[in-house]
Amino acid sequence: DVKVTQSSRYLVKRTGEKVFLECVQDMDHENMFWYRQDPGLGLRLIYFSYDVKMKEKGDIPEGYSVSREKKERFSLILESASTNQTSMYLCASSGVGVSPLHFGNGTRLTVT
Amino acid sequence: AQKITQTQPGMFVQEKEAVTLDCTYDTSDQSYGLFWYKQPSSGEMIFLIYQGSYDEQNATEGRYSLNFQKARKSANLVISASQLGDSAMYFCAMREAITGGGNKLTFGTGTQLKVEL
Repeated sequence: DVKVTQSSRYLVKRTGEKVFLECVQDMDHENMFWYRQDPGLGLRLIYFSYDVKMKEKGDIPEGYSVSREKKERFSLILESASTNQTSMYLCASSGVGVSPLHFGNGTRLTVT
Repeated sequence: AQKITQTQPGMFVQEKEAVTLDCTYDTSDQSYGLFWYKQPSSGEMIFLIYQGSYDEQNATEGRYSLNFQKARKSANLVISASQLGDSAMYFCAMREAITGGGNKLTFGTGTQLKVEL
């Protein structure tokens, strides 16, 4: 079974802090994704990566950056956290071709 | 740009009854695919079923089937014989090919299903 592990289940940070959300997958997947989930808005894509050191913006990249130094690890960075970034963050990975995304359990981030 | 619309924010169904969750989509691509995911209250996202635009038959997976109507641009999820454990949020998503192979997904806003005794 594919396992996608997000380092924290719950996180509370202060406005202006730099925040790192970490994600690790164990299936040697080429593609990794960061989504945020908000009530009534569904899941929205922030960034994705199709290879080590390669990244592309999703639909809502503003205020975020990402890092993929190793194939199994994909980090989401909030350079200066703001209250409107309070949300559930979901990491996912997938192989090539038409394959489903496999999700982690999510990190619920609260910025106060 | 791709768009997925789920017009039912919430639905109720009696145990053992069938239920249909609506999903319509908009795309200019000829080749595309639709996924359905289930998200229980625990938060995990569980892949349920996939339908490709060129698939001749409607996809089925156990109690889940996909009512795919290409001309109407709809891909409704049908759950037969509902169980209490089916209570969850359900998301429809459309795939779009990305660089290097693989696909990213655009999600709808979801439908919260509650199964009642």
